[in-house]
Amino acid sequence: DTGVSQDPRHKITKRGQNVTFRCDPISEHNRLYWYRQTLGQGPEFLTYFQNEAQLEKSRLLSDRFSAERPKGSFSTLEIQRTEQGDSAMYLCASSLATGYGYTFGSGTRLTVV
Amino acid sequence: QKEVEQNSGPLSVPEGAIASLNCTYSDRVSQSFFWYRQYSGKSPELIMSIYSNGDKEDGRFTAQLNKASQYVSLLIRDSQPSDSATYLCAVIHSGGSNYKLTFGKGTLLTVNP
Repeated sequence: DTGVSQDPRHKITKRGQNVTFRCDPISEHNRLYWYRQTLGQGPEFLTYFQNEAQLEKSRLLSDRFSAERPKGSFSTLEIQRTEQGDSAMYLCASSLATGYGYTFGSGTRLTVV
Repeated sequence: QKEVEQNSGPLSVPEGAIASLNCTYSDRVSQSFFWYRQYSGKSPELIMSIYSNGDKEDGRFTAQLNKASQYVSLLIRDSQPSDSATYLCAVIHSGGSNYKLTFGKGTLLTVNP
């Protein structure tokens, strides 16, 4: 499978716990994005990597959120001290160049209880 | 705040009819426009991209762009029940963040057999 892979597909966690999600982009895509989507809303931009450099972080990404992309390959998104408001679908996407549409992964659905 | 607006629907059409989905955007100099299809519980799937004024056809789908009116639309001919999904309009704005897709909230389409 040469698409964008995300793991896990679903995560249920208790409030206050830390969670980490992984994204493996399409191998030739050097641009990687994280988005968050809640019910009834379109995806909202969280952060963007070009190779290993994190070039933009949304103000939606509070201090509890951190993303990395070591060596410009896979990426991780960590949420510390989860809150119920963090419950959402976390989507990873990649693209070959700017100005073009993204390919999304299947997403990680987070439920904080 | 650069915005993308869509009628949230739901839009209901009979099987075989033409479904028309509309989108407006606020940034006059936006360059790239996309339509994504999202089935319930799934991630967005890119179905059309359009970059210049006019029509672009791909099978049963036609995207229409009018930059003067800041308007982009998607027509689905011979609608099928399998087309029932949420359709997301997305725009890449101009300027420094020319990698960032901004999404509308989506329009829910239901095709009735």
